[in-house]
Amino acid sequence: GQQVMQIPQYQHVQEGEDFTTYCNSSTTLSNIQWYKQRPGGHPVFLIQLVKSGEVKKQKRLTFQFGEAKKNSSLHITATQTTDVGTYFCAGNPGGSNYKLTFGKGTLLTVNP
Amino acid sequence: GAGVSQTPSNKVTEKGKYVELRCDPISGHTALYWYRQSLGQGPEFLIYFQGTGAADDSGLPNDRFFAVRPEGSVSTLKIQRTERGDSAVYLCASSSRGGLGIQYFGAGTRLSVL
Repeated sequence: GQQVMQIPQYQHVQEGEDFTTYCNSSTTLSNIQWYKQRPGGHPVFLIQLVKSGEVKKQKRLTFQFGEAKKNSSLHITATQTTDVGTYFCAGNPGGSNYKLTFGKGTLLTVNP
Repeated sequence: GAGVSQTPSNKVTEKGKYVELRCDPISGHTALYWYRQSLGQGPEFLIYFQGTGAADDSGLPNDRFFAVRPEGSVSTLKIQRTERGDSAVYLCASSSRGGLGIQYFGAGTRLSVL
């Protein structure tokens, strides 16, 4: 079925190091959303990207949407222990105007 | 309400039993979604309501699963003849509009089928 692939599955960093997670779809996405889920918690919306090549920043987080609208990335600069959690991208590979397909997520752990 | 509320937070049941999981969305949100999340996986779409009607139930795994939203607000996910493989966290999300709007998730119900 339609899938949104996300890599890496896990990432362990030292506090202060940077972190990037990548999201790929075989089909064009109308938009992509990013969510963060803390251990034991529920997904919390971070951002939505709509335009081809769009780049958005939230403090230390930088989100990019590829020119072809098939891939996206989330980059965290100078990680902190509060960044720990699983980061999910979610898109609509089938062109659905309401159904999100989530990637498997990238679990980020940060060593203080 | 202030956020999406799901009850119960945990449900332990025996194989073959019937369970109901409740979702109370953010007040005024017309769109409501149910997802299932297994360990190490992302949320998996189950069903989408726009108002009272199930606009898309294509994610329901089989006919043991059913969901309703009779008044366009609270929704109940019903699972008949539960199986051990149904064990997962069931998440509900609501959105102020249809389309690919921001989805606000509840804390989920952790279902354990023994």
